[in-house]
Amino acid sequence: VQVVESGGGLVQPGRSLRLSCTTSGLTFGDYAMSWFRQAPGKGLEWVGFIRSKDYDGTTEYAASVKGRFTILRDDFKTTAYLQMNSLKTEDTAVYYCSSGSMIFGVVRYFDYWGQGTLVSVSS
Amino acid sequence: DIQMTQSPSSLSASVGDRVTFTCQASQGISKYLNWYQQKPGKAPKLVIYDASNLEREVPSRFSGSGSGTHFTFTISSLQAEDIATYYCQQYENLPITFGQGTRLEIK
Repeated sequence: VQVVESGGGLVQPGRSLRLSCTTSGLTFGDYAMSWFRQAPGKGLEWVGFIRSKDYDGTTEYAASVKGRFTILRDDFKTTAYLQMNSLKTEDTAVYYCSSGSMIFGVVRYFDYWGQGTLVSVSS
Repeated sequence: DIQMTQSPSSLSASVGDRVTFTCQASQGISKYLNWYQQKPGKAPKLVIYDASNLEREVPSRFSGSGSGTHFTFTISSLQAEDIATYYCQQYENLPITFGQGTRLEIK
């Protein structure tokens, strides 16, 4: 299984950025896809996830990003996306994508992770 | 939100030592707890899920236990390659939350 994030970079506050998470070797449609972030020198923070189509592809978000970030998935392309709008300096972090194992719609654990992509928000 | 508190924040031990650290939840989370290992500059890696289940291909020297609010992570015989920061994570309630991490170093 491979999980590869892309799309990170330097962006000004208030602008938008879209991250991609491309997978291979994974039964993509069976998994929730989640995003996490890690600010420099800090711990892990959950950003949000999108459930599988079996659960209508519903989404959940952390309060810190709700209304600004949107997670999407394309099962045909086995790719997930993180659309980030109205970026703030405090959104600066390495962003990780991971597959989430679900049962009855509950995302239990995150077993396959990408290497991360750095997003820097600065003027 | 459920707060996860790990202790100690850092730990120094020798190769071959038995190492144990803990994770405390601010409210009961049954066994809905996972442990991740993160080496410097790398992505997290799932080690233990549902408090005590060893992820596939993870060495058997790693183990986890606990339920409710108190959880323990143990390495039975520390190896040099185990140097990393370890995070606990709960999924009883949203938002998913992590502990602040325990940084494990070689003495």
